[in-house]
Formats: sequence, structure tokens, C-alpha cells
Amino acid sequence: DAGVIQSPRHEVTEMGQEVTLRCKPISGHNSLFWYRQTMMRGLELLIYFNNNVPIDDSGMPEDRFSAKMPNASFSTLKIQPSEPRDSAVYFCASSLDGGVQETQYFGPGTRLLVL
Amino acid sequence: AQSVTQLDSQVPVFEEAPVELRCNYSSSVSVYLFWYVQYPNQGLQLLLKYLSGSTLVKGINGFEAEFNKSQTSFHLRKPSVHISDTAEYFCAVSESASSASKIIFGSGTRLSIRP
Repeated sequence: DAGVIQSPRHEVTEMGQEVTLRCKPISGHNSLFWYRQTMMRGLELLIYFNNNVPIDDSGMPEDRFSAKMPNASFSTLKIQPSEPRDSAVYFCASSLDGGVQETQYFGPGTRLLVL
Repeated sequence: AQSVTQLDSQVPVFEEAPVELRCNYSSSVSVYLFWYVQYPNQGLQLLLKYLSGSTLVKGINGFEAEFNKSQTSFHLRKPSVHISDTAEYFCAVSESASSASKIIFGSGTRLSIRP
């Protein structure tokens, strides 16, 4: 299995631009998580999907952030408009189901820099 | 509310020396505990987890951790480290068995191995 796939791996954009991050979970996994990692705040969960349905989006910082999962093999995280404080590494992870006993498998991350 | 503290932000050790990375948690109920490792420019990878049963948990790459309820600790140990263990290590805690979206990650400990 190829593992969790994220694209792009690096993104540099200017303030105000729209940014779309993409994730392909491991085949057969029905739970998907988006995380953000920064030096200041560490690793934070943004949103959690189960069977393509958003279950917990309490970590989404504000309306500028949105996430979708149109099918079991694809999810996007969109930031519009982007701001310099959104600069971070964004990780996608998937698991067999959403229970804590199931291992989450992380993708390599997307490093975002907003100038 | 649950929380997790990693007291050491950085731990330097010599190759083949033993290492202990400390993790303390705060919770008023039963918890589930995890250690993840993040190699440079990669996503997190599960090292080991405590869900129930034996308090000594063995993980991958020769690591082990011991759950100590009275001291609310879950320290990670390895008897002899290698250069390849250079990475950042994250302790995580969850009070919820049903949803991995409730996992809280610590701030991380950077392990650097000196030859």
C-alpha cells in the first residue's frame, strides 16, 4: 500500500490567495483526520471525517478554513483567503475506523508558507 | 479536562546509551496513552500505545513505555539508542475510546543522538 498521499508537498503563496491541500487516505480506511503543526501550537486536530461525513470540526480555526470529503478516497482542505499565520505543516491521517484503538497513519504533510 | 506534558523539549544522548523521554498526563478518568515518532520531513508514526492490560508496553524499534497510574506518567525508554533514532517524539492522551478525534498531543521531545 502506498500509504496516505498528500499533495502538494510544499506550497508557497501570497496573502489573500486561495490554497487547496489534497489527501488520499489508505484504501479501506473510513476515518480521515486533518492536523496542523506549528512551533507555537504543536499538533492540532482541525477536522475528523468518518465515512465521508464531518464528525468533529471544532478545531477548524475560522470560516476561512473549509474541508470536504466527496468520496472515500479523496479529501481537500481549503484556506480562502490565506494569511501569514496559516503558515504551518498540514498533515492528513487515516485509520480503519475512528476509534482510539485504531492506529492513525499519517501522510508526509504539506508545508505551507503564506507570504 | 485532559492534558499531556512533555517536560523535556530536547534530549541529547550518546549512541548506544539508554534514554528515557518523560511524559505526564492529567485526567480525571481512565486514559489511553500513545507515543508517536516523527522523523525529519515525515508524518507521525505510532511507536506504541496503552489501551488496557499490562502496564509495560513494547513498541517498534526497541522502545517500551510504562503506564504508571499513581504518578500519571507514561515514560518512553530504550536501553541502547542508535543514530537512526534521531527524531521528535510525541506523547498523546485520550479519555475517549470511541473517537480518535479526542487525542491530545504533547509538545514533543527532540531526541538527538551523538556518535
